[in-house]
Amino acid sequence: DQQVKQNSPSLSVQEGRISILNCDYTNSMFDYFLWYKKYPAEGPTFLISISSIKDKNEDGRFTVFLNKSAKHLSLHIVPSQPGDSAVYFCAASESPDYKLSFGAGTTVTVRA
Amino acid sequence: DADVTQTPRNRITKTGKRIMLECSQTKGHDRMYWYRQDPGLGLQLIYYSFDVKDINKGEISDGYSVSRQAQAKFSLSLESAIPNQTALYFCATSSGRGGVYNEQFFGPGTRLTVL
Repeated sequence: DQQVKQNSPSLSVQEGRISILNCDYTNSMFDYFLWYKKYPAEGPTFLISISSIKDKNEDGRFTVFLNKSAKHLSLHIVPSQPGDSAVYFCAASESPDYKLSFGAGTTVTVRA
Repeated sequence: DADVTQTPRNRITKTGKRIMLECSQTKGHDRMYWYRQDPGLGLQLIYYSFDVKDINKGEISDGYSVSRQAQAKFSLSLESAIPNQTALYFCATSSGRGGVYNEQFFGPGTRLTVL
């Protein structure tokens, strides 16, 4: 059973607007969360992460929010740009071995 | 040059054939991983290795085996390929120190088709 779920397989947003990607998890022992971005014919690349001791982490246009009580995290991209069109994977890990459990991914399309 | 390389990038094979996918890394990381990606399922962990003498099964190890020949090399084998092993395979590495160092670095992937 998947411990990390991304229930929206796709998202279409206009250039300049906000993209909000959601992720839910079931394992309360997860203590580190990451977002990866993947372009076609390439491997996933790390985007941003957050520790369970925080509820927000920001890096430029990307912000990740964590709601531990709801076992929910989200990625905000503001403003969205055409180069943001990609598949975004949510991932979670549990110390001490830090193996990653991935969601199924959300395909983001940014319209000009 | 890429930090994590995978060979081959594409492979078409027949049912019952033995296939080896290779991964090399220049990041100096101790930890290496093999994942497969299927549509709608995200990335699933097949095997992982925390150092040269350590090999562990992941979520979906049946039908696969691995070899950690050196710190920099981690191979995945399909002893007798079957059609439902058709997928995109990724190798990844990490330093293993946890926290921000938990980031895994992925290779470009191998697209495997089993006919």
